[in-house]
Amino acid sequence: KQEVTQIPAALSVPEGENLVLNCSFTDSAIYNLQWFRQDPGKGLTSLLLIQSSQREQTSGRLNASLDKSSGRSTLYIAASQPGDSATYLCAVKDDYKLSFGAGTTVTVRA
Amino acid sequence: DGGITQSPKYLFRKEGQNVTLSCEQNLNHDAMYWYRQDPGQGLRLIYYSQIVNDFQKGDIAEGYSVSREKKESFPLTVTSAQKNPTAFYLCASSMESRPVDTQYFGPGTRLTVL
Repeated sequence: KQEVTQIPAALSVPEGENLVLNCSFTDSAIYNLQWFRQDPGKGLTSLLLIQSSQREQTSGRLNASLDKSSGRSTLYIAASQPGDSATYLCAVKDDYKLSFGAGTTVTVRA
Repeated sequence: DGGITQSPKYLFRKEGQNVTLSCEQNLNHDAMYWYRQDPGQGLRLIYYSQIVNDFQKGDIAEGYSVSREKKESFPLTVTSAQKNPTAFYLCASSMESRPVDTQYFGPGTRLTVL
């Protein structure tokens, strides 16, 4: 059974600092890995999707890397802003199913 | 405006009652999913449907039931057999259920048992 772990569970940084969020998974036989953002009481917004054949994806200030063999992904957010405060979830896809980590809750202090 | 709608946003249930959560999508997606989210935990799959009139159990189906009579609708019923139903429920859809298909999520329904 796929297990997805996100460390740390919570993170607080001053505005302008770079953010590094970690995700690990136990079964490397995945099709893709996806990072989501969730604001309090809201649904999930997809940020980046990395196919299993890719090593990284970039969108604006966001960059996600994938090392499938070691079962790790990292989400980097450059020059953080208060609007980046949210919970970030990673999920891996094997067959039809998404397996989620518990998320990292980020607070960016102005 | 294409998307997924869930209603109601908040729902309260008394002990012993069944309640139904609505999920509608106008994305013309074949596949739909129901997830449950508890504080400090990842989302867990309850049921999924790859096509109309067909659905399969996910990891935590006990105490829940679904139907898929129309392509755009996938309602979830939380029955009295579900012992701890208080949670945030998220519906999702994807074009098909192939591994390459991205899932899109609705805004969620928060269910509280009184």
